[in-house]
Amino acid sequence: NAGVTQTPKFRILKIGQSMTLQCAQDMNHNYMYWYRQDPGMGLKLIYYSVGAGITDKGEVPNGYNVSRSTTEDFPLRLELAAPSQTSVYFCASGNRVGETQYFGPGTRLLVL
Amino acid sequence: QKEVEQNSGPLSVPEGAIASLNCTYSDRGSQSFFWYRQYSGKSPELIMFIYSNGDKEDGRFTAQLNKASQYVSLLIRDSQPSDSATYLCAVNGNRGSTLGRLYFGRGTQLTVWP
Repeated sequence: NAGVTQTPKFRILKIGQSMTLQCAQDMNHNYMYWYRQDPGMGLKLIYYSVGAGITDKGEVPNGYNVSRSTTEDFPLRLELAAPSQTSVYFCASGNRVGETQYFGPGTRLLVL
Repeated sequence: QKEVEQNSGPLSVPEGAIASLNCTYSDRGSQSFFWYRQYSGKSPELIMFIYSNGDKEDGRFTAQLNKASQYVSLLIRDSQPSDSATYLCAVNGNRGSTLGRLYFGRGTQLTVWP
């Protein structure tokens, strides 16, 4: 099992550019999540999904979009990148409500 | 708004000592509690979870839960320099739109010095 994988590991964007952060899991988990982590801060939930075709907003969804067409994949789309979106992005997945979430290695994004 | 508060740290202990990490939460209905360890530049990894009041031990780690006081802690016995990391407390959402979500504290940075 590869677990949760994320690509790319690191990216520099110019203000106004767009990109998609990829996330995939091979554990057949229904629940998937996108978090961002700023220095010295905890994890803030951006979007999450409870199954294919179902997504919902978290605490900080503005400037992002997601889709979940398959159980395995949960891409995060940034439109019109802004310096405030400079952060480390983690994707996670989980099997059941209230149980452990497993994290991917993260994507470090710098918007200049 | 779910709140999870951790002692601000940083916490510094000598090798071999007991490190005590604390966390309080606001949602009395929360049922699942997690401690994640995060090394600098890495992703969070689960080290303990606890669902019931009392203590749960796993090797050098003990998680303690007191739902009446809305308090969960992590004790690390015989601390090692390799335990130096940030420890994140997480609490589950219990109802409605929060179901399936975890709420994280800001983390406590622990340094174990030789």
